[in-house]
Amino acid sequence: AQRVTQPEKLLSVFKGAPVELKCNYSYSGSPELFWYVQYSRQRLQLLLRHISRESIKGFTADLNKGETSFHLKKPFAQEEDSAMYYCALGSGNTGKLIFGQGTTLQVKP
Amino acid sequence: KAGVTQTPRYLIKTRGQQVTLSCSPISGHRSVSWYQQTPGQGLQFLFEYFSETQRNKGNFPGRFSGRQFSNSRSEMNVSTLELGDSALYLCASSLGQVTTNEKLFFGSGTQLSVL
Repeated sequence: AQRVTQPEKLLSVFKGAPVELKCNYSYSGSPELFWYVQYSRQRLQLLLRHISRESIKGFTADLNKGETSFHLKKPFAQEEDSAMYYCALGSGNTGKLIFGQGTTLQVKP
Repeated sequence: KAGVTQTPRYLIKTRGQQVTLSCSPISGHRSVSWYQQTPGQGLQFLFEYFSETQRNKGNFPGRFSGRQFSNSRSEMNVSTLELGDSALYLCASSLGQVTTNEKLFFGSGTQLSVL
């Protein structure tokens, strides 16, 4: 079964500390993975996708097929990073994204 | 460019009624997807439309239906509402078919409360 697991509902760090938001997936095919973010009172928006190998707002994510993980990392957290983060799995050409339950990142001053 | 627009923003209905939600995608976008968001289940895929055709549907009962018009605007309908249908319904549009690399642009959602 296709599934995305984000084991932490809440992650609280201090400003300047490293951040790692965990995402594990279950998918038999070649996975396409995304991180979406929702800042307070804003819309859900794409942060990054693994196929683009990009770094957005200092965040990176590496696909580890052996561990079936796509963890989101940032070396130095900023207060403006506080938001809800969703990991999502694209299941081929089906038009469907499977979302994890989300992790709230709280960056304290 | 205007973003994805969903109307209405809030809806209150009673059990047994039906409801229609509307979504206007970003100009030029031809694909519209719908998701249901609840605290317990998170974001769950409802369906995707591209060029007026439903390409895929999630695991929801037949009471949930939708359609897409020639101008790419989409509507979602829920008939015989149940208390469990209370949720935030999100619409997302994309330029082309939602394939593996397509970026979704989300609307603000319609908050449906069923009493």
